[in-house]
Amino acid sequence: GAVVSQHPSWVICKSGTSVKIECRSLDFQATTMFWYRQFPKQSLMLMATSNEGSKATYEQGVEKDKFLINHASLTLSTLTVTSAHPEDSSFYICSALRSGGGEKLFFGSGTQLSVL
Amino acid sequence: DAKTTQPPSMDCAEGRAANLPCNHSTISGNEYVYWYRQIHSQGPQYIIHGLKNNETNEMASLIITEDRKSSTLILPHATLRDTAVYYCIVRAKGGGNKLTFGTGTQLKVEL
Repeated sequence: GAVVSQHPSWVICKSGTSVKIECRSLDFQATTMFWYRQFPKQSLMLMATSNEGSKATYEQGVEKDKFLINHASLTLSTLTVTSAHPEDSSFYICSALRSGGGEKLFFGSGTQLSVL
Repeated sequence: DAKTTQPPSMDCAEGRAANLPCNHSTISGNEYVYWYRQIHSQGPQYIIHGLKNNETNEMASLIITEDRKSSTLILPHATLRDTAVYYCIVRAKGGGNKLTFGTGTQLKVEL
């Protein structure tokens, strides 16, 4: 199946610093990618839709200035958590939409962010 | 996206078939039924999807009722490695259409 690579797998940072998470579609081009976050024992919550070459669309309640999304190429989207605080600690997951042959979303392996 | 309803948890004996139900009574004509699963601390894994016909692949079978208001995911011979949270999601095709996760079913496969 299609592969989506997400990096890093986990990161620990100090409060106030920024953290960048990368999401790459390795064997297909993805004009659309999605970013989710997940708290322990909860379901995935959609944060934003990332479209190649245009601004991301954020879900209600998600601060666009805090969670910066860049989708500069058809195979790469990045999520930057700016000025991270402990409440931003969460599991972040990206997904890439593969069109053709039956539209499917493939997910990265996730990034566990811990803010001290 | 239409809402889906799934039982919060199910148990299954290893080697037996696991039948996971999903209710999507408000599904629209252009919405597909997707199934994903998530093993602890990993990203969701695509299993199968369909529109109105039953589908089968190497992982599972998807049975959709004729009125499309419900579906069942079948894992024919469950193994311990199938223990995961299974999500049933309905979504229309198109880049702008989101995949919205509900609470899913925690399947526990036991010896």
